Amino acid sequence: SAVISQKPSRDICQRGTSLTIQCQVDSQVTMMFWYRQQPGQSLTLIATANQGSEATYESGFVIDKFPISRPNLTFSTLTVSNMSPEDSSIYLCSAAGGKRLYEQYFGPGTRLTVT
Amino acid sequence: AQSVTQLGSHVSVSEGALVLLRCNYSSSVPPYLFWYVQYPNQGLQLLLKYTSAATLVKGINGFEAEFKKSETSFHLTKPSAHMSDAAEYFCAVSGGSNDYKLSFGAGTTVTVRA
Repeated sequence: SAVISQKPSRDICQRGTSLTIQCQVDSQVTMMFWYRQQPGQSLTLIATANQGSEATYESGFVIDKFPISRPNLTFSTLTVSNMSPEDSSIYLCSAAGGKRLYEQYFGPGTRLTVT
Repeated sequence: AQSVTQLGSHVSVSEGALVLLRCNYSSSVPPYLFWYVQYPNQGLQLLLKYTSAATLVKGINGFEAEFKKSETSFHLTKPSAHMSDAAEYFCAVSGGSNDYKLSFGAGTTVTVRA
């Protein structure tokens, strides 16, 4: 299984600013994903981070608000742009690779509070 | 499209008692099903998975789940609860070998009484 780290682990930001979250995997993986977990809620998929091409966004999420980069097979970033208090959530990245692409492993999450 | 429904947002059990968490799925293709656990202030940990092999799946920490196609269910059980089982549990589904995106249920919070 892959070991995934995220930076920062938590942050408090002012509305109107942007925050970039980093996700690092300890091995090369085929698939990387970004999820949002709003307070007391389940996880919702934001997008699939594609290596070398634009991310694939789910309904309700747009690139201007959540730009994603994936420059190589072990690293991805998610930016939360022009933040509002409604963006206060935990943001998690996950990865899958090898022969078990269906099996996702998750990072510890980034807890974001927007004031 | 795939989705899961978890019955019961909160389950309270006594230490040593059976833990039963319910999950029903909806899928237009043979599903892959997962149970994840989330401890406070942590990410998700994979407990177990069903990928069309054996219908009774054993996972970590003494948990197991049974895939029942006729009931479209994938309930999670543990014979004897331990205090360390207190956490939130999520059932998730994907569309199988060609669709890796996960759809999560709403989650079930488990508390364990001493």
